[in-house]
Amino acid sequence: QTVVTQEPSFSVSPGGTVTLTCGLSSGSVSTTYYPSWYQQTPGQAPRTLIYNTNTRSSGVPDRFSGSILGNKAALTITGAQADDESDYYCVLYMGRGFWVFGGGTKLTVL
Amino acid sequence: QVQLQESGPGLVKPSETLSLTCTVSGGSISNNYWNWIRQPPGKGLEWIGYMYYSGSTNYNPSLKSRVTISVDTSKNQFSLKLNSVTAADTAVYYCARTPYGGSYMDVWGKGTTVTVSS
Repeated sequence: QTVVTQEPSFSVSPGGTVTLTCGLSSGSVSTTYYPSWYQQTPGQAPRTLIYNTNTRSSGVPDRFSGSILGNKAALTITGAQADDESDYYCVLYMGRGFWVFGGGTKLTVL
Repeated sequence: QVQLQESGPGLVKPSETLSLTCTVSGGSISNNYWNWIRQPPGKGLEWIGYMYYSGSTNYNPSLKSRVTISVDTSKNQFSLKLNSVTAADTAVYYCARTPYGGSYMDVWGKGTTVTVSS
């Protein structure tokens, strides 16, 4: 059973920088997993932020960036704003048309 | 601009079949992959499965025995059937598009809540 791991929660000060990570219960995340990131606020559908590791979706501010850090995928928010307070989910493509979502990170901006 | 809209019963009895439809507007259902994803109350997102417009499918192994995804290209719709439901299947169900050649979801429906209860 493949488990995609994320920090359950994180906090950042307004204007600060935060890096959320996305790992595997066994093994390393690489670009071959095509990591993508989604933002979800309560009661809303997810919004696509990043795909293919580091490509921003249309309309996503450049304060959101994706990368591989060590053996994990990472989402960095630079200059956090109040409305960045959301749940963030990573998704890894396992190949052969099979995706696995991480458990999500609840980001607090305070 | 492509938009997706889920529809279907909001209440399903235990052991019965959950049936939902996703209508694609503003674009063609062709040449893309179409996903179902769900989110139980207070929990994270779970990928259920996808279908290519031509009819090929792939499902989450944990749900595979109970899931069927189908497409009606004439109506620009695709559908989800989940049989033998229990309370654990209570969730918000989303449909989402994966563009051809892509490995992510780029367009999402607003979601529809399904409660399993007698």
